[in-house]
Amino acid sequence: AQSVAQPEDQVNVAEGNPLTVKCTYSVSGNPYLFWYVQYPNRGLQFLLKYITGDNLVKGSYGFEAEFNKSQTSFHLKKPSALVSDSALYFCAVRVLYSSASKIIFGSGTRLSIRP
Amino acid sequence: GAVVSQHPSWVICKSGTSVKIECRSLDFQATTMFWYRQFPKQSLMLMATSNEGSKATYEQGVEKDKFLINHASLTLSTLTVTSAHPEDSSFYICSARDRGLAGTGELFFGEGSRLTVL
Repeated sequence: AQSVAQPEDQVNVAEGNPLTVKCTYSVSGNPYLFWYVQYPNRGLQFLLKYITGDNLVKGSYGFEAEFNKSQTSFHLKKPSALVSDSALYFCAVRVLYSSASKIIFGSGTRLSIRP
Repeated sequence: GAVVSQHPSWVICKSGTSVKIECRSLDFQATTMFWYRQFPKQSLMLMATSNEGSKATYEQGVEKDKFLINHASLTLSTLTVTSAHPEDSSFYICSARDRGLAGTGELFFGEGSRLTVL
């Protein structure tokens, strides 16, 4: 079955330290991968995507993600965390079915940055 | 660009009434819109795919007569929760796929609508 997994419910990092939020996927064909962030009672904001090209993708707010085909991973990273980065992060993957496609989301990882 | 507007942001209604939530793409055309439901501290659950000019495609387990979806134009989709009950209380989020970016699969999200049924 096609799926996306975020193994960590919560990640805690001190401000200024690097952060990593993990994501692995299982899809047929070439993966289209996304990261979104959600603040309380808000919709999702797009951070970055990987479709093709360089494995290291740079996105909004200083975030980047590395596509690793052999490990089927797409971890989100940031070199220096800010308190304002505290939010809920979702990894997502496009899956194909019939003649259409849809986006499915991981379970989410709550990122908490302490001052 | 790529703004999706969702209205209302908050709605409280009595049990047994119906509630309509609107999702509009403000600066692009969206042939496909998606409706998600999110329970507290949980991920987004896809409810249905709304296609302009045709019937919505519902995910398994989602009652189509309960959650009516209409996608009458390239910029508007509506979700109507009929005869709402307290268990329908949730955060509903719509998203839209830009017709011009359809190949990338990228979605743009509304701000969500929190429904509370008393």
